[in-house]
Amino acid sequence: AQTVTQSQPEMSVQEAETVTLSCTYDTSESDYYLFWYKQPPSRQMILVIRQEAYKQQNATENRFSVNFQKAAKSFSLKISDSQLGDAAMYFCASLAMGGSRGGSEKLVFGKGTKLTVNP
Amino acid sequence: DTAVSQTPKYLVTQMGNDKSIKCEQNLGHDTMYWYKQDSKKFLKIMFSYNNKELIINETVPNRFSPKSPDKAHLNLHINSLELGDSAVYFCASSQEGRGANTIYFGEGSWLTVV
Repeated sequence: AQTVTQSQPEMSVQEAETVTLSCTYDTSESDYYLFWYKQPPSRQMILVIRQEAYKQQNATENRFSVNFQKAAKSFSLKISDSQLGDAAMYFCASLAMGGSRGGSEKLVFGKGTKLTVNP
Repeated sequence: DTAVSQTPKYLVTQMGNDKSIKCEQNLGHDTMYWYKQDSKKFLKIMFSYNNKELIINETVPNRFSPKSPDKAHLNLHINSLELGDSAVYFCASSQEGRGANTIYFGEGSWLTVV
């Protein structure tokens, strides 16, 4: 079974500063993927960044980067130069492979972290 | 170009009614999903289909019936709506394989049962 834990229900950051959102996960599969999704007030689920577990290098997407610590099962998201438009709910999620066929893998979400960006 | 589109975006209906949400993806993906986000914003999978075949069927009341006429479409029909069905329902799609396995979501359908 997979579990994803986000221990920070809410976080705040000053515009232009850096913030790190925490996430820990647990899975028995050796092949899995990790994601951060952003959900603004419009409720749309927007993919921010993804990490393949088999890759040691941390993923980066412009101002967004992750700190993937496989042994510790930790997957934190760092947002640099925070902007007002970054304010949203952020969900960490894991997708464990190993199913017998396509569609059998479940994306499991954490409970989310609400990020506020102060001007 | 909207990759995963679902309609309607907003739906307000009375208890006991039957309603449908439609979803289409133009990404060429083989797998489609329905996820439910409750009032506490917790997201959980309901169903998955792979090439029109039902793969995942979580513990969901049988009032919920998904249907996939082809691999680009996945609809959700809900019978005898209850207050507790109020939620945001997300359609999503993905493609398996190394370098893929990313799930893309539609904009969500916000269902309110009154």
